[in-house]
Formats: sequence, C-alpha cells, structure tokens
Amino acid sequence: DAGVTQSPTHLIKTRGQQVTLRCSPISGHKSVSWYQQVLGQGPQFIFQYYEKEERGRGNFPDRFSARQFPNYSSELNVNALLLGDSALYLCASSLVGGEAGELFFGEGSRLTVL
Amino acid sequence: AQSVTQPDIHITVSEGASLELRCNYSYGATPYLFWYVQSPGQGLQLLLKYFSGDTLVQGIKGFEAEFKRSQSSFNLRKPSVHWSDAAEYFCAVGPGTYKYIFGTGTRLKVLA
Repeated sequence: DAGVTQSPTHLIKTRGQQVTLRCSPISGHKSVSWYQQVLGQGPQFIFQYYEKEERGRGNFPDRFSARQFPNYSSELNVNALLLGDSALYLCASSLVGGEAGELFFGEGSRLTVL
Repeated sequence: AQSVTQPDIHITVSEGASLELRCNYSYGATPYLFWYVQSPGQGLQLLLKYFSGDTLVQGIKGFEAEFKRSQSSFNLRKPSVHWSDAAEYFCAVGPGTYKYIFGTGTRLKVLA
C-alpha cells in the first residue's frame, strides 16, 4: 500500500511569492496534519484537518492556510513568503482526527525561500 | 504549558554499545508518548508508542522505551547499536486532541 505522498519534494521560491504543497494520505485515513520542521528543530504543528474540517491550528500567521478535499488529500498554502519560511514541510495522516491516533508521515516538501 | 525536552543534542556511541536517549515531558494528564526516527532527507518513522498499560514498550528495530510517570520521562533504549541506527530521534507527546508536540531531537552518530 502506498504511504503518505507529498509533492513537490523540493522547491525554491523568492520572498513575497506564494507556494502550494500537496499531500495524499494513506488510503482510508481521513485525517491530515501539517508540520513545519526548520533545520535543527523538531516538527511544529501547523494544521489538522479531519473529514474536510479544520480541527486545529498551531501558532502560525494567517499567511498559512490549508484545506482538505473530498478524497481526503490536502493542500497547504503559504502566501507572502519570508526567508524564515524555509523548512521541511511534513504531512501526516491518521485514521482518527481527535484522539491520539498514530501519525504516518510523508517524506516532506523542502521549501527554500531566497 | 505542554513541552518535550530532549537534553542531548548529539550523542556518539560505538557500534555494539548500548544506547539511551532521554526525553522529559511536561503535560497535565497522562500523555500519549512516541519516539520517531528521521534519516537525512527523509520523513519521520514511528519507532514505538505508549498509550497506556505496561510502562515498558517494545518497538521496531530492537528499540524499547520506558514510561516513568514520577520522573515525567520516556527514555529510549537499545542494547546494541548498529551503524544503520545513525539518524535523528524525536520524542513526541500527543495530547489526545489534535496536535503533537515534538522535542528538538537527538542526533545519533555511530562509530564503527
């Protein structure tokens, strides 16, 4: 079975641009979470979606937004990119959206902002 | 505030030696606890998890961890390290709602 897939794997943007990252969860998983991992740090929670509804949001500015589609795939959008947005963006899926279901991570999208 | 502390940023061990990675957490109730491993350029792979019950949990690749409520710790151990274990290890707390809190990670180097 396919795991969590993310695209693109690498991308380079300049300050002020916008970026969209995509995630396909494991088949049957209805919850998708997004995490930002800055070099040398642990992942930081950005969003969780379950059954196409936002269930949680971390301490990130409104430049960050996300959505989940009927097929449970998800997109993360970041507007007005800053240098500090350079990071590995990880998507994780799980069976449940509320309780502590095990998170299955994709390999991430590495964003570099110049 | 909920938090996870991994006091050791880097650890170096010789192949075949034992390993213990430390994790301390701050959380108001019984936490759900996890250890993940990340190889360079890769995503996170779950090694083991603790939800309830037996405080000594077994994971993949020969790893185990022990939950000690009195010490707010969930240390990861392996009796004999292999060169392929070199990676970064993250401890995480799941509050049981919607987000997980990760530590800053411990980078393991294995000497041949």
